[in-house]
Amino acid sequence: QVQLQQSGAELVKPGSSVKISCKASGYTFTSYDMHWIKQQPGNGLEWIGWIYPGNGNTKYNQKFNGKATLTADKSSSTAYMQLFSLTSEDSAVYFCARRDYFDYWGQGVMVTVSS
Amino acid sequence: DVVLTQTPPTLSATIGQSVSISCRSSQSLLHSNGNTYLNWLLQRPGQPPQLLIYLVSRLESGVPNRFSGSGSGTDFTLKISGVEAEDLGVYYCVQSTHAPYTFGAGTKLELK
Repeated sequence: QVQLQQSGAELVKPGSSVKISCKASGYTFTSYDMHWIKQQPGNGLEWIGWIYPGNGNTKYNQKFNGKATLTADKSSSTAYMQLFSLTSEDSAVYFCARRDYFDYWGQGVMVTVSS
Repeated sequence: DVVLTQTPPTLSATIGQSVSISCRSSQSLLHSNGNTYLNWLLQRPGQPPQLLIYLVSRLESGVPNRFSGSGSGTDFTLKISGVEAEDLGVYYCVQSTHAPYTFGAGTKLELK
């Protein structure tokens, strides 16, 4: 069965960066886009971008240019998102989700930015 | 960016009642390839969202058939024919026709 297993919660300092992961199983990792979505507490959902692990192509929401970088490791079927220059506005739960139907989701990673 | 306007923001229902949620787009979601990438998600408290409906009206595998989707162009509807307790949560429409992909603000379904 398809599963997306995300890394654990992160507490990080303002100005730092963080890299979170999404390990895929149960399907051919290189055949589907992996999307990343942000959800701030009590708020809705915001699309960050996608990566196609087959060739490494990416597409970003312009709002996250310079804030997020998406990568993928085919050997471990793991997608990564690195967030830079963190501020309190980046405190949120970050999800990975498969393909543009968003048919499977990871459990989410809570990132808290605090000194 | 495409704006998706969901109504109502909150929906109170009794068990067994049929309800509908509207999602209106600021521009047509018909892709040049002929598909309309409008999907519906349900997020239960403390859980990630789950896919209910994709491509406007296609029921995701394992989703009960009391859920149905309809619409075209800019106007879309999710209907639940006979609400059950497990249906409570926040419903989102999401479009993946035009980048950046965007979500509606959500409709919270609660028990009356």
